[in-house]
Amino acid sequence: NAGVTQTPKFQVLKTGQSMTLQCAQDMNHEYMSWYRQDPGMGLRLIHYSVGAGITDQGEVPNGYNVSRSTTEDFPLRLLSAAPSQTSVYFCASSYSFSGSGEQFFGPGTRLTVL
Amino acid sequence: DAKTTQPPSMDCAEGRAANLPCNHSTISGNEYVYWYRQIHSQGPQYIIHGLKNNETNEMASLIITEDRKSSTLILPHATLRDTAVYYCIVKTTDSWGKLQFGAGTQVVVTP
Repeated sequence: NAGVTQTPKFQVLKTGQSMTLQCAQDMNHEYMSWYRQDPGMGLRLIHYSVGAGITDQGEVPNGYNVSRSTTEDFPLRLLSAAPSQTSVYFCASSYSFSGSGEQFFGPGTRLTVL
Repeated sequence: DAKTTQPPSMDCAEGRAANLPCNHSTISGNEYVYWYRQIHSQGPQYIIHGLKNNETNEMASLIITEDRKSSTLILPHATLRDTAVYYCIVKTTDSWGKLQFGAGTQVVVTP
């Protein structure tokens, strides 16, 4: 299993540009989520999905859009990039939203918005 | 969700046990204690979790006090590869997927 994969690893955008961060998992996990991590801080939840076709907002959803058409993929779209969105983005997945257990994290996408 | 308090940093000698404390004095009966760690520039990695009994796996041991107001993560024989930020998180099972990360404890293992 590849686990959780994220592309690209690095990205530089100009203010106002849009882009999609890709996240995929091959573990047949129901639950997927996106976090952002600013320098020196812990992770903050952006959006999450408890299954294909179901998404919901996390702690910091503004400026981001998600959809989940398949179990495997959960892309994160930046609608109009702003310097405040410069961050490291992590995707995570787990077997289910409830119950107990571990989440698996991807390697991250490092985004810089100029 | 209950708030957690961890020391910002601690050092540990290679080969010695590392004991990482976490205070969660407002924890409720249905909240689990989770530990994750983040090695520099990588995604967080799950370590262990528990409800009230002590737990052990191949990575670490988790000791939860009887009143559940605090816990300790023990890395039995720290190696240089254990240098990381360690996060203590308290969550209920009904929405455990929405992890809330604080600042964590920066652990530096020295030779």
